[in-house]
Amino acid sequence: QVQLQESGPGLVKPSETLSLTCTVSGASINSYYWSWIRQPPGKGLEWIGFIYYSGSTNYNPSLKSRVTISVDTSKNQFSLKVKSVTAADAAVYYCAAMDHAEYFQHWGQGTLVTVSS
Amino acid sequence: QSVLTQPPSVSGAPGQRVTISCTGSSSNIGAKYDVHWYQQLPGTAPKLLIYGNNNRPSGVPDRFSGSKSGTSASLAISGLQAEDEADYYCQSYDTSLSGSRVFGGGTKLTVL
Repeated sequence: QVQLQESGPGLVKPSETLSLTCTVSGASINSYYWSWIRQPPGKGLEWIGFIYYSGSTNYNPSLKSRVTISVDTSKNQFSLKVKSVTAADAAVYYCAAMDHAEYFQHWGQGTLVTVSS
Repeated sequence: QSVLTQPPSVSGAPGQRVTISCTGSSSNIGAKYDVHWYQQLPGTAPKLLIYGNNNRPSGVPDRFSGSKSGTSASLAISGLQAEDEADYYCQSYDTSLSGSRVFGGGTKLTVL
């Protein structure tokens, strides 16, 4: 079955860049749209953006100026960068596989990112 | 404030039926975009529960059902069980936000 695993630093300093990678197993990177979603502690879900294996992307307008999602088909991975982070970016970050870019069919377990100096 | 509005909490006794509403607008649910539902058990990642308004992925019990009408959608859970206690989120597509995928604020289901 499709499995996703997030990896990256759990602590990022304010004003720096948050970088996470999602490794996909059980499916080809060509099979789905690949997305990032975050959830601040005790709050709801926020969609960040998605990428297709071709490299085409779609971002949440509220985050678009600070976010970049990229894909590495050779490694079956995709990545997230959020620049100029503040405390408001602290959250559990999930990667997910989207079916037809409509809904999030498979999810990673999530990784907690704290923003602190 | 979420684009899709859900009640913060609902509750029910074991065996009962509960519904969770998801209210949108003419730029999302009312524009005939599909609604999807997710279940998030405590301390875990969300899980797809209903897709395309009323379809269940393999493995999801038929106690869970979805519906949509106008600018709203609903998730119904019948034969409530203790393990259904979780947060539930609706999700759709919004045309006014440059093709954003949007979530409801989430509803905490408590099984009494």
